[in-house]
Amino acid sequence: DAGVIQSPRHEVTEMGQEVTLRCKPISGHDYLFWYRQTMMRGLELLIYFNNNVPIDDSGMPEDRFSAKMPNASFSTLKIQRTQQEDSAVYLCARSSTSREDTQYFGPGTRLTVL
Amino acid sequence: AQRVTQPEKLLSVFKGAPVELKCNYSYSGSPELFWYVQYSRQRLQLLLRHISRESIKGFTADLNKGETSFHLKKPFAQEEDSAMYYCALSGNSGGYQKVTFGTGTKLQVIP
Repeated sequence: DAGVIQSPRHEVTEMGQEVTLRCKPISGHDYLFWYRQTMMRGLELLIYFNNNVPIDDSGMPEDRFSAKMPNASFSTLKIQRTQQEDSAVYLCARSSTSREDTQYFGPGTRLTVL
Repeated sequence: AQRVTQPEKLLSVFKGAPVELKCNYSYSGSPELFWYVQYSRQRLQLLLRHISRESIKGFTADLNKGETSFHLKKPFAQEEDSAMYYCALSGNSGGYQKVTFGTGTKLQVIP
């Protein structure tokens, strides 16, 4: 399973509601990334962590989006006041410190905002 | 700033025809480049890395620093190659690794 578990796999919510997406990477990899995947914009980096510390959140589209990584084996992405444009697949990935290292992706959470 | 451009959203080829998926990048340092693939109903996974100089499933990619390109090629397309392909660049940003993906190209191999 590439060592990354995401839940839920599918989430359907109504506009204005709050959702929390979860990611459980195998510990021991220093980096964790959250991406948003859509047909129109491809793979967009939202935020990434190094050793549980957020390094770059410039990709987070609005302050409705927030992410945490309380420990090396768990991260959450929360979207408040959801809008239809938030509908996408949200991917979590892990990698080691080396730039040459592969990113290992989770299966993603498909979010549908009605 | 680092940037990856994949100019084609969709590429359709006939089975047995050559395939070239284009990728251009912008990065001031020495880039580490990757191709990732996502088959239907599967998770995104690594196809190949420039540093390994390998051929995977018949695909190769050569880094051309002069043209800042890392195009993915295969001489004879197979139906099972139909998938979404993403080019990615791993760079250094403030001492940290930063990965930038292109917008992806959907490869459709027509039987």
